Amino acid sequence: EAQVTQNPRYLITVTGKKLTVTCSQNMNHEYMSWYRQDPGLGLRQIYYSMNVEVTDKGDVPEGYKVSRKEKRNFPLILESPSPNQTSLYFCASSLNGAEAFFGQGTRLTVV
Amino acid sequence: RKEVEQDPGPFNVPEGATVAFNCTYSNSASQSFFWYRQDCRKEPKLLMSVYSSGNEDGRFTAQLNRASQYISLLIRDSKLSDSATYLCVVNEDYDMRFGAGTRLTVKP
Repeated sequence: EAQVTQNPRYLITVTGKKLTVTCSQNMNHEYMSWYRQDPGLGLRQIYYSMNVEVTDKGDVPEGYKVSRKEKRNFPLILESPSPNQTSLYFCASSLNGAEAFFGQGTRLTVV
Repeated sequence: RKEVEQDPGPFNVPEGATVAFNCTYSNSASQSFFWYRQDCRKEPKLLMSVYSSGNEDGRFTAQLNRASQYISLLIRDSKLSDSATYLCVVNEDYDMRFGAGTRLTVKP
């Protein structure tokens, strides 16, 4: 089954404790992207990747890192999480401009 | 980076109503266009692609106006199950750009 898998689905953590949200897709898509969604603000892009070893900042990259060592994986790293990073996060992949497939989302709370 | 803007909503309509959403985009080089549907706090899912000639899928009609740089979504005979947030998506150089979404509530 074609899918994008994010883990964990829910996470509560404390300020400053490094965390990684994993994202994996099984469709051999070149393009992957991370978004955060906050009430009233819609989906805001954090980082995106056009292919392996190619990543670029989106609209709200501050406080986040990503890597793309393999085509299927695109982890999102928060080196030192802060409460303003409490949000709903989505990973997505697509085949160069075609339909985007989303993971089920990760609800992150930073206290 | 270029912007994708949507009607702010929310739209509250009775069952059976016809409702239309618009979306404007600023990058004239955008290559492809989509409407996504997102149910409350779940992942967005593709509703339909938008083609230059316009396209229809049952009660849903999408249109693209490249000259004015906007796309539209028309929903006829609204159902309670159409209640959701509708996201306009524009593809720019293979990078997907999302509008903030328009919330639709269909009431009995």
